[in-house]
Amino acid sequence: EAQVTQNPRYLITVTGKKLTVTCSQNMNHEYMSWYRQDPGLGLRQIYYSMNVEVTDKGDVPEGYKVSRKEKRNFPLILESPSPNQTSLYFCASRALTGVYGYTFGSGTRLTVV
Amino acid sequence: GNSVTQMEGPVTLSEEAFLTINCTYTATGYPSLFWYVQYPGEGLQLLLKATKADDKGSNKGFEATYRKETTSFHLEKGSVQVSDSAVYFCALYPDSNAGGTSYGKLTFGQGTILTVHP
Repeated sequence: EAQVTQNPRYLITVTGKKLTVTCSQNMNHEYMSWYRQDPGLGLRQIYYSMNVEVTDKGDVPEGYKVSRKEKRNFPLILESPSPNQTSLYFCASRALTGVYGYTFGSGTRLTVV
Repeated sequence: GNSVTQMEGPVTLSEEAFLTINCTYTATGYPSLFWYVQYPGEGLQLLLKATKADDKGSNKGFEATYRKETTSFHLEKGSVQVSDSAVYFCALYPDSNAGGTSYGKLTFGQGTILTVHP
């Protein structure tokens, strides 16, 4: 089954403790992206990647890092999480051709206390 | 830059009522327009899309028409069901001929929570 898999689904952590949210897709998609969802703000893009070793900032990149060492994986790294990063996070992928086929993961609900 | 504005929610309806969720956008050229649905505890699923002016997207009884003259893509359903309760997001994908740095990025509205009661 074609899918984007995120882990963990839920995470509670403390301020300043580094964490990584993993994202993996099995569709051989070139493009991958991270979004955060906050009430009243919709989904905002954090980072995206056009292909292996090619990443760029989205609209709200501060406090986040990403890497794209393999085509299928696009982890989101919070080096020093803060409470304002409490949010629902989604990873998405699509092929560079056929423009519209975004596939979303099931989401990671992160709470930073 | 590109932006999407949805009507404020939440929206609460009785079963079999008519639904409209308004969506307007700001973008250069002819973006592609989408409605995504998020059921409780799940990720986003594509509900319908329209890729050019006057196109009508439809799926599961929902419809939306791409209106270039009013820059709108309102979502409608004639008779909602309890199972339609979810969060609905309007989104746009930029026109590849419009230039700029928005390549590849879906821009979302703020989401509208729909609750349907029996």
